[in-house]
Amino acid sequence: DQQVKQNSPSLSVQEGRISILNCDYTNSMFDYFLWYKKYPAEGPTFLISISSIKDKNEDGRFTVFLNKSAKHLSLHIVPSQPGDSAVYFCAASKETSGSRLTFGEGTQLTVNP
Amino acid sequence: GAGVSQSPRYKVAKRGQDVALRCDPISGHVSLFWYQQALGQGPEFLTYFQNEAQLDKSGLPSDRFFAERPEGSVSTLKIQRTQQEDSAVYLCASSPGQRNQPQHFGDGTRLSIL
Repeated sequence: DQQVKQNSPSLSVQEGRISILNCDYTNSMFDYFLWYKKYPAEGPTFLISISSIKDKNEDGRFTVFLNKSAKHLSLHIVPSQPGDSAVYFCAASKETSGSRLTFGEGTQLTVNP
Repeated sequence: GAGVSQSPRYKVAKRGQDVALRCDPISGHVSLFWYQQALGQGPEFLTYFQNEAQLDKSGLPSDRFFAERPEGSVSTLKIQRTQQEDSAVYLCASSPGQRNQPQHFGDGTRLSIL
């Protein structure tokens, strides 16, 4: 039972353009959502998060949007840079579970110069 | 260092051997988590500590897996009688423990069982 899904295994964009990574979830009890970025042979690095009481959170070039009715969130990166090339994981948690994270399968983003 | 530290970075063991993986969380972080990541997949939850108390071990795949955090700081994940399907990257994460605080991950231990 995959409760968090990232349906695009890969995404390729041109430097300077917008990257949009998508994530869907099925468990309506999730109330906190995060995006992590992962380079090869390193652990996931926290990027940005959003609580279920909000529908948007912005941090520099990164914006996360949450649509609770659709159980969908997305990460926008503007403008995209070659250094953004990495695997991006969407994760979700519910407070009642001690904040354990449920991850999607990841999306490989490639930003071409 | 300021981050989560895991050791060893790589571990190769023969099937049937026992292994121990270590995690040093960020100083002062109350919550500590272990995850298992198979190739091409997202991390999957194994177990969770709040200080020294193991509050959730529902993700441990079998009774061959055991984790401890005796003094509420360093944690060890032990796998007994290893099998080939145990080959994965084992990630440790810590967080301050307050609501809606992100977890910060170490670089993981890549375990290969021959």
